[in-house]
Amino acid sequence: DAGVTQSPTHLIKTRGQQVTLRCSPKSGHDTVSWYQQALGQGPQFIFQYYEEEERQRGNFPDRFSGHQFPNYSSELNVNALLLGDSALYLCASSYLSGELTDTQYFGPGTRLTVL
Amino acid sequence: GQQVMQIPQYQHVQEGEDFTTYCNSSTTLSNIQWYKQRPGGHPVFLIQLVKSGEVKKQKRLTFQFGEAKKNSSLHITATQTTDVGTYFCAGPTRQLTFGSGTQLTVLP
Repeated sequence: DAGVTQSPTHLIKTRGQQVTLRCSPKSGHDTVSWYQQALGQGPQFIFQYYEEEERQRGNFPDRFSGHQFPNYSSELNVNALLLGDSALYLCASSYLSGELTDTQYFGPGTRLTVL
Repeated sequence: GQQVMQIPQYQHVQEGEDFTTYCNSSTTLSNIQWYKQRPGGHPVFLIQLVKSGEVKKQKRLTFQFGEAKKNSSLHITATQTTDVGTYFCAGPTRQLTFGSGTQLTVLP
């Protein structure tokens, strides 16, 4: 049973460019959340997708956008990259059970470096 | 907004010593989760606590959820070098707010 997968593992971009990160959820999961983790800090919630719609969003600018596909996989897009966007981007999947106890499982992350 | 604080930020212990990290929330939590992140790795789910005063054990790890559901702790008995990593608390589930983490170093 494959866990959460993310691609690419590493990425180097320059300021002003755009980037797309991809995530495939764990088998049986229907919800995907994205987090940004700067070096030495805890992950920060970006947004969550369920049924191909953004359900919740953290305190991130509109430069950060996403998409969920019918097979539950997801993309995170970041436009007009800034140096401060350099971070580990984590995808987490879960099953929306209608209760508060759905557990999130994290993928290995994509390390984005903006030069 | 909700804030989750963890102390200490860093902890160095000799192998075999015990370790405890504490998590405090500014608001009452419906549940709390604990994750471990090895150096260069990603957060790995350890456990979820839901009930007030709940205590759960996983081998040498003991997790507690406070009576007021605003604090939690993780205690490791007789640390081993495999326990090295950063331990995060996070809650509640749908939009995880992570604590700042406690980075554990175990000296052999």
